Amino acid sequence: SQQGEEDPQALSIQEGENATMNCSYKTSINNLQWYRQNSGRGLVHLILIRSNEREKHSGRLRVTLDTSKKSSSLLITASRAADTASYFCATDAQGGSEKLVFGKGTKLTVNP
Amino acid sequence: DTGVSQDPRHKITKRGQNVTFRCDPISEHNRLYWYRQTLGQGPEFLTYFQNEAQLEKSRLLSDRFSAERPKGSFSTLEIQRTEQGDSAMYLCASSLRGSPLHFGNGTRLTVT
Repeated sequence: SQQGEEDPQALSIQEGENATMNCSYKTSINNLQWYRQNSGRGLVHLILIRSNEREKHSGRLRVTLDTSKKSSSLLITASRAADTASYFCATDAQGGSEKLVFGKGTKLTVNP
Repeated sequence: DTGVSQDPRHKITKRGQNVTFRCDPISEHNRLYWYRQTLGQGPEFLTYFQNEAQLEKSRLLSDRFSAERPKGSFSTLEIQRTEQGDSAMYLCASSLRGSPLHFGNGTRLTVT
């Protein structure tokens, strides 16, 4: 079963606009990661935020984490057509498991 | 870093046939993972190896599925007596301890 739930399921914006995607999860975590997937390809790691961090930046990406609400957001600023992809949050599972639990993803379309 | 490579990229098989996929991880990565992804969903964990030892298996990995990593390098995933419900993208990923997952581009399986 999938722990994370991304919102919205799909998002369409114009180039230059900001895109915000949200992720909610159910259980306690050690860290939360965001991955990107272009159509028909594998996933690419974007950013990891630890449970004791509240905000993290990487280039045009900004991730926030609110452990009290069990939620995270990914903000992509000044979007480009090349940002068109699906974005997934992933959390570590409890109990010492090595697996990552992925949400269903947000499909982002950036129109030129 | 030549990345994670998976073979074949696409496989079409008839129901009841056996199929085998191969994954070559990044050479220095000792951890290897298999995930399955169906359309519109995030990846679901199947199994995890540390070196040659298979340390974790999902309930999704029925008796018809078997994975090996005989020398702690490449891995194979075999599905016996395929069913239409096995149609999915099978993703392999590798990592070092504490580092993000590096995914291959997957093998897309279609069972007719």
